[in-house]
Amino acid sequence: GAVVSQHPSWVICKSGTSVKIECRSLDFQATTMFWYRQFPKQSLMLMATSNEGSKATYEQGVEKDKFLINHASLTLSTLTVTSAHPEDSSFYICSASLSGGAFREQFFGPGTRLTVL
Amino acid sequence: RKEVEQDPGPFNVPEGATVAFNCTYSNSASQSFFWYRQDCRKEPKLLMSVYSSGNEDGRFTAQLNRASQYISLLIRDSKLSDSATYLCVVYNAGNNRKLIWGLGTSLAVNP
Repeated sequence: GAVVSQHPSWVICKSGTSVKIECRSLDFQATTMFWYRQFPKQSLMLMATSNEGSKATYEQGVEKDKFLINHASLTLSTLTVTSAHPEDSSFYICSASLSGGAFREQFFGPGTRLTVL
Repeated sequence: RKEVEQDPGPFNVPEGATVAFNCTYSNSASQSFFWYRQDCRKEPKLLMSVYSSGNEDGRFTAQLNRASQYISLLIRDSKLSDSATYLCVVYNAGNNRKLIWGLGTSLAVNP
């Protein structure tokens, strides 16, 4: 089946530092990747939709200058949390959708747990 | 009103029980519907798609009522391993291919 990896699986950093999270589709090409954030006891909240080779589309309320997304290839997207603060501590999950125009199932990475001290 | 609403529970049931979860969605143009399962501190995993005619996968039965904008999931003969959060998810191609997630319903199956 389609496998998506994320790295790192968890990270602890000091306030003010930047953290980069990688999302890779291992055995398929993903035209579109999605970045989600999930706070404890909350549902997944879509942060942005990333299409290969173009700028990401951010959801309302998500700061594009704080959450930098790069989707340079069909197998890799990165999310950089710039100048992280404790309120950015969350579970970040990416998903990847197979290439194609019609709806395709999203395959999820295992998530990255970010703790900002 | 949230786009996808679920009763958060928790549902506490004994092994072998039958349990049903409900979900309502607000956008009548929604096209596809899913149930995902999420274990604690893990990513969500697709449990099953929901078709208009209703569909069954082993102990799991999903039903869709488009007129009422209502989705259900029935779990029969609950197992301890069914303990998880069940997420109702709705897709609308006109919404930039986004999945809209419910808050999830927590299920605890007890021995």
